[in-house]
Amino acid sequence: DAKTTQPPSMDCAEGRAANLPCNHSTISGNEYVYWYRQIHSQGPQYIIHGLKNNETNEMASLIITEDRKSSTLILPHATLRDTAVYYCIVEYNFNKFYFGSGTKLNVKP
Amino acid sequence: SQTIHQWPATLVQPVGSPLSLECTVEGTSNPNLYWYRQAAGRGLQLLFYSVGIGQISSEVPQNLSASRPQDRQFILSSKKLLLSDSGFYLCACGGGLIGELFFGEGSRLTVL
Repeated sequence: DAKTTQPPSMDCAEGRAANLPCNHSTISGNEYVYWYRQIHSQGPQYIIHGLKNNETNEMASLIITEDRKSSTLILPHATLRDTAVYYCIVEYNFNKFYFGSGTKLNVKP
Repeated sequence: SQTIHQWPATLVQPVGSPLSLECTVEGTSNPNLYWYRQAAGRGLQLLFYSVGIGQISSEVPQNLSASRPQDRQFILSSKKLLLSDSGFYLCACGGGLIGELFFGEGSRLTVL
């Protein structure tokens, strides 16, 4: 079972920052938070992951709260090609990845 | 990086017929392998997980089975398909240095 909760959908204007929230209140101390996205009819694509500290890469930034019970994925300048379903995942038992229903991000011109 | 091959890409099968979906992996050895299913408009459901040859963990009781006859081969099967088996099946490979999953392009199954 998924250990995360995400809003079902969000809208974002093109060029603006998209902030996607995720709650993982039952996360354990050694469990990582991963973010993936899935463009229609394709396999999910890895975006970023973190344990405690905030992380940034060429695609996005990940902000994890100090108590680790929630996180936010930030796409700094959303484009139309960022329209996708975004999944927040907690890695369980170091090997298993349970996907929830995700957030459908609609980037609008 | 790993490359995941899945086939067939699409198939339409009658209820009660058998199923075999195949997944092979390139670019890594002894990977963790996964089968996921995605029903229309839904998220991904973990079906099976394997840490090595012949080692399969089933996540949910269902009409499907999985086998891993070789290190980089993962097969999803059914003896008799149900309507509820329709969906988008994704094979994934773990084991990267940062623990990420690599997904294949998926197999879309329609059971009529």
